[in-house]
Amino acid sequence: AAGVIQSPRHLIKEKRETATLKCYPIPRHDTVYWYQQGPGQDPQFLISFYEKMQSDKGSIPDRFSAQQFSDYHSELNMSSLELGDSALYFCASTVGNTDTQYFGPGTRLTVL
Amino acid sequence: GQQVMQIPQYQHVQEGEDFTTYCNSSTTLSNIQWYKQRPGGHPVFLIQLVKSGEVKKQKRLTFQFGEAKKNSSLHITATQTTDVGTYFCAGPSGSSNTGKLIFGQGTTLQVKP
Repeated sequence: AAGVIQSPRHLIKEKRETATLKCYPIPRHDTVYWYQQGPGQDPQFLISFYEKMQSDKGSIPDRFSAQQFSDYHSELNMSSLELGDSALYFCASTVGNTDTQYFGPGTRLTVL
Repeated sequence: GQQVMQIPQYQHVQEGEDFTTYCNSSTTLSNIQWYKQRPGGHPVFLIQLVKSGEVKKQKRLTFQFGEAKKNSSLHITATQTTDVGTYFCAGPSGSSNTGKLIFGQGTTLQVKP
């Protein structure tokens, strides 16, 4: 079965640089969630989209923005990167608000 | 705000021993979900419990949802080395209906062969 695809899988950036993370949900899934997971931490909700509109927002810095496109893929844009942004970033998809979220493999971002 | 607490944080067991992790929410949950994350991997959905007092089994795994729908547990019988990983419980945020999940801190299970 098709799964959630995230790219890139690994990303190394310098402080103050920008990064773009991409998420391709499972086919026919119209809802995307972004989570940030620090080392040894649980996933923390950042932002979500339903039918290409932002549906919810969590503890996402103003330096970050995201959108969902017409083909339902989503991109998380991160600017003025800080050391503390180093983390695993997961995207999860679902149909509507059915609650069962299927996670992608994640993007490991390292900020040097 | 809404909190989901999970204990213990770590558990080391000998292969063949049982394991239990407990999850407690500060608010009543419409449902609770359990995920497993292997080292270096991503959270993988295990199960969702919806009804008060619900008990579900998956082979050696038994999941329970409390009567008040505020707590849950995952019990693994006769652990195997393949059970190694971090087990997270998660519940939908009560302050929104968008499905975003509030995760517990996770219980990391180590199994000694």
